[in-house]
Amino acid sequence: SQTIHQWPATLVQPVGSPLSLECTVEGTSNPNLYWYRQAAGRGLQLLFYSVGIGQISSEVPQNLSASRPQDRQFILSSKKLLLSDSGFYLCAWTPERNVYGYTFGSGTRLTVV
Amino acid sequence: LAKTTQPVSMDSYEGQEVNITCSHNNIATNDYITWYQQFPSQGPRFIIQGYKTKVTNEVASLFIPADRKSSTLSLPRVSLSDTAVYYCLGNRDDKIIFGKGTRLHILP
Repeated sequence: SQTIHQWPATLVQPVGSPLSLECTVEGTSNPNLYWYRQAAGRGLQLLFYSVGIGQISSEVPQNLSASRPQDRQFILSSKKLLLSDSGFYLCAWTPERNVYGYTFGSGTRLTVV
Repeated sequence: LAKTTQPVSMDSYEGQEVNITCSHNNIATNDYITWYQQFPSQGPRFIIQGYKTKVTNEVASLFIPADRKSSTLSLPRVSLSDTAVYYCLGNRDDKIIFGKGTRLHILP
């Protein structure tokens, strides 16, 4: 069966520090991968998505970047965190558009102080 | 772009049937309609997906009219544990775009 792993679960980082959040999927090949962010009390905002290794599309200009070094690995990064980067970050995957529901990871609660 | 519109919040009581309607006027011909449930500090969870008419699973029913410009999620006999945010999703290319969702509050 397919599973998605996301870590860490919580993270407190000072302003100006780097960030690296990792997401991996098991039990499938060539998944579509997504990073979402949810600010407190708000909906989910799509940040990045990837349909294959090295293929990254960004939805909004921001202080973050994403990479997909392997088929089932998706990494969210920042060189220098801002206070506004605080939020709940979710990784998701789907094997095929419109056929199966999207499966989300358990999320990372990032607090920038 | 299939933008979705749904009520910001709803209240209901335990044991009642709850219907949440979503409008998606620009849905593409080959797009499915999907609903998710999200509890605080958790990722959204897939509830149900359909293309047209009616779909039912062990959790909910989904009603989609012939023009597919709206859909209604029906939760039978809700309980306190159904308090959550419910998202109706639109699709664009290979991405899903979340709206603000409907915050459902179940009262005892």
